[in-house]
Amino acid sequence: SQTIHQWPATLVQPVGSPLSLECTVEGTSNPNLYWYRQAAGRGLQLLFYSVGIGQISSEVPQNLSASRPQDRQFILSSKKLLLSDSGFYLCAWSSGSAPLYGYTFGSGTRLTVV
Amino acid sequence: GESVGLHLPTLSVQEGDNSIINCAYSNSASDYFIWYKQESGKGPQFIIDIRSNMDKRQGQRVTVLLNKTVKHLSLQIAATQPGDSAVYFCAELHTGNQFYFGTGTSLTVIP
Repeated sequence: SQTIHQWPATLVQPVGSPLSLECTVEGTSNPNLYWYRQAAGRGLQLLFYSVGIGQISSEVPQNLSASRPQDRQFILSSKKLLLSDSGFYLCAWSSGSAPLYGYTFGSGTRLTVV
Repeated sequence: GESVGLHLPTLSVQEGDNSIINCAYSNSASDYFIWYKQESGKGPQFIIDIRSNMDKRQGQRVTVLLNKTVKHLSLQIAATQPGDSAVYFCAELHTGNQFYFGTGTSLTVIP
């Protein structure tokens, strides 16, 4: 069966520090991968998605970047965090060929920038 | 879009009552829809789906209704329980195999 792992679960980082959040998927190949951000009490904002290794699409201009160095690995990064980067970050995957049952989400990372 | 910055609409129901959560979708060409449940501090989880060739689908204690004429989707939860307290999102499948999520509704069940 397919599983998605996302870590760390919580992170407290000072303003100006770098960020690296990792997401890996097991049990499938060539998944579509997504990074979402969710501010407290608000909806889901799509940040990046990837349909293959090295292929990244950005949905909103921001202080963050994403990379997909391997088929089932998706990384969210920042060189210098801002206070506004605080939020709940979710990684998700879907079948590249047919998105039945939609996206499967990871457990999320709670990022607090102080 | 703009809706991601808005506070979530809220719904409070008494335990044992039925809950109805509504969602308006944007693309008349969308042909597949999903409801997700997100508990506090967790990722959203699939609840139930429906294709555009259907107008109703039932699961265990949940029913999804689709009205394509007015582009409206609803989730009905029967005999709501405290464990149903969560944020509920609808999602529509656009072209290109990408889902678009609604704003979400925060459901609170009052014991």
